[in-house]
Amino acid sequence: DTAVSQTPKYLVTQMGNDKSIKCEQNLGHDTMYWYKQDSKKFLKIMFSYNNKELIINETVPNRFSPKSPDKAHLNLHINSLELGDSAVYFCASSHTSGPSGKETQYFGPGTRLLVL
Amino acid sequence: GEDVEQSLFLSVREGDSSVINCTYTDSSSTYLYWYKQEPGAGLQLLTYIFSNMDMKQDQRLTVLLNKKDKHLSLRIADTQTGDSAIYFCADHGSSNTGKLIFGQGTTLQVKP
Repeated sequence: DTAVSQTPKYLVTQMGNDKSIKCEQNLGHDTMYWYKQDSKKFLKIMFSYNNKELIINETVPNRFSPKSPDKAHLNLHINSLELGDSAVYFCASSHTSGPSGKETQYFGPGTRLLVL
Repeated sequence: GEDVEQSLFLSVREGDSSVINCTYTDSSSTYLYWYKQEPGAGLQLLTYIFSNMDMKQDQRLTVLLNKKDKHLSLRIADTQTGDSAIYFCADHGSSNTGKLIFGQGTTLQVKP
């Protein structure tokens, strides 16, 4: 029943490790996104994919690599984790990227990443 | 670049109305959204308004849009303790990339 799901919900890891966060949507949407929410709750877009193609890459370090195996999945792989990567990462999806009236974004529950 | 600003904190008594304000800079905004985030949870879409509308009402929620002043507000009638959360205003703009610009979030505290 979950529309946008993410795994894991919590991730605690050591600096320098490589980790992945998975996102799946069962809404039949074409566009998926990753957002980062910092400790001050500020939300900023990182990436968006439309039909498995990258359309936004917002000056994110290249240690972050999104991968979209199909329209329903957008995973986020992070290499060489740093302390500053600690944040909550949200996946979202929408029918289209707009503006068309179908660009309303629905968010997953978030993945809380803590780098020690 | 585009920017969205919100006040950081609002405290009200249960049963009162809450008004959360937002200003944005993008004059070509198409859709503007309100999301709610409860502690430890994700973002829940509350409502949205298209830029050619002045007002939208949905049960206890009323959204007002002043396009000339680029000002958006969310009014919650009969505020309940369950409404305590962070409320985010977000601007879609006119791009076809889907990029949402979020405000800093307004923490709403509802006192019994």
